[in-house]
Amino acid sequence: GAVVSQHPSRVICKSGTSVKIECRSLDFQATTMFWYRQFPKKSLMLMATSNEGSKATYEQGVEKDKFLINHASLTLSTLTVTSAHPEDSSFYICSARKVEGHYEQYFGPGTRLTVT
Amino acid sequence: GQNIDQPTEMTATEGAIVQINCTYQTSGFNGLFWYQQHAGEAPTFLSYNVLDGLEEKGRFSSFLSRSKGYSYLLLKELQMKDSASYLCAVMDSNYQLIWGAGTKLIIKP
Repeated sequence: GAVVSQHPSRVICKSGTSVKIECRSLDFQATTMFWYRQFPKKSLMLMATSNEGSKATYEQGVEKDKFLINHASLTLSTLTVTSAHPEDSSFYICSARKVEGHYEQYFGPGTRLTVT
Repeated sequence: GQNIDQPTEMTATEGAIVQINCTYQTSGFNGLFWYQQHAGEAPTFLSYNVLDGLEEKGRFSSFLSRSKGYSYLLLKELQMKDSASYLCAVMDSNYQLIWGAGTKLIIKP
């Protein structure tokens, strides 16, 4: 199997606060993890690619100082939304890619962030 | 630019067959994936094609033609639980996934 967990599943926070989202690969090692954002009825938007032990690679238009990504181990990556604003409210999904195989990505269950 | 096209929405009847098409233009090709996503949930992996032809997995089959930049996902014996969005994604030469916008499939009794 290839199970990816994500915590928390839902979070409500006030404007100006920071929120940390954890992504864990439970039964495999993932040298690469991905963070996506998805708006209602829209496709996945890749925010950044996270490689274990190195700095994340951010997609164009994604503020790296606002969305802090840490990939400290082969099974854990974290996304911290700093100084959150209502427009940051979204569905955030992480995925992990196995070292072996066809490079398919296995997704966590997602985190719904609401900033009030 | 890189582009993935798939229909926005399709409707089918329970017990029937439906084919969801996907065309792509990408810089390089290292495989095509189909994912299923139920509302409010994360995508789940359905299939992977890297060579031309049909891959069958139970009620679901996926076809690829690299020369035409074309794939389809075929769902047989449709069940109500198949109501979901189906995402086509192509892995480019940098092993990055390029995502389509998804096809919302509505199953009617």
